[in-house]
Amino acid sequence: GDSVTQTEGLVTVTEGLPVKLNCTYQTTYLTIAFFWYVQYLNEAPQVLLKSSTDNKRTEHQGFHATLHKSSSSFHLQKSSAQLSDSALYYCALTSSGSWQLIFGSGTQLTVMP
Amino acid sequence: GGIITQTPKFLIGQEGQKLTLKCQQNFNHDTMYWYRQDSGKGLRLIYYSITENDLQKGDLSEGYDASREKKSSFSLTVTSAQKNEMAVFLCASSIHRAAETLYFGSGTRLTVL
Repeated sequence: GDSVTQTEGLVTVTEGLPVKLNCTYQTTYLTIAFFWYVQYLNEAPQVLLKSSTDNKRTEHQGFHATLHKSSSSFHLQKSSAQLSDSALYYCALTSSGSWQLIFGSGTQLTVMP
Repeated sequence: GGIITQTPKFLIGQEGQKLTLKCQQNFNHDTMYWYRQDSGKGLRLIYYSITENDLQKGDLSEGYDASREKKSSFSLTVTSAQKNEMAVFLCASSIHRAAETLYFGSGTRLTVL
């Protein structure tokens, strides 16, 4: 089946510094779409980025991610973290195997002043 | 825009009790989902429904029933609540299948005494 791995459960970064949240995946099927969802405290998860094109950079709200099928990765990056970026981030994928959205375990990002 | 409304926001039950969670969406989306959110485990799919009266089991369906009697509503029943269980249940919808963006409700937080 499909799986998504987010190796860091907790990431802490100082405001103004770059941040990178890792996401790798495994699937034996055709991949359809990749997502990053963000969940702020006491709010619903919401989509941050979506991509289905290999080696194409996708950007939104200062965050960017590039799907690299050669390394099975879809890491999320931001050049300058803001206090308001503190949230829970989920990487997810859909493949033709299940047509379900499979989520990683999530990374809690804390931005410190 | 639309909204997903989950009721109740907080649900306290007793061990062995049958508990029902409700979800309403006004996006006019075809597909609806129930996910369980546990810290460190990500979002795991319990049930989904691609149209009215359709039900599909996710990886975590054991111990749960679901019902989609109308396009706009999707309910989840915990058939026998487990003692000391604590989790957040998230309802979501998408236009069609999971290759599209999912829109989430704010969740129902379950506590079993």
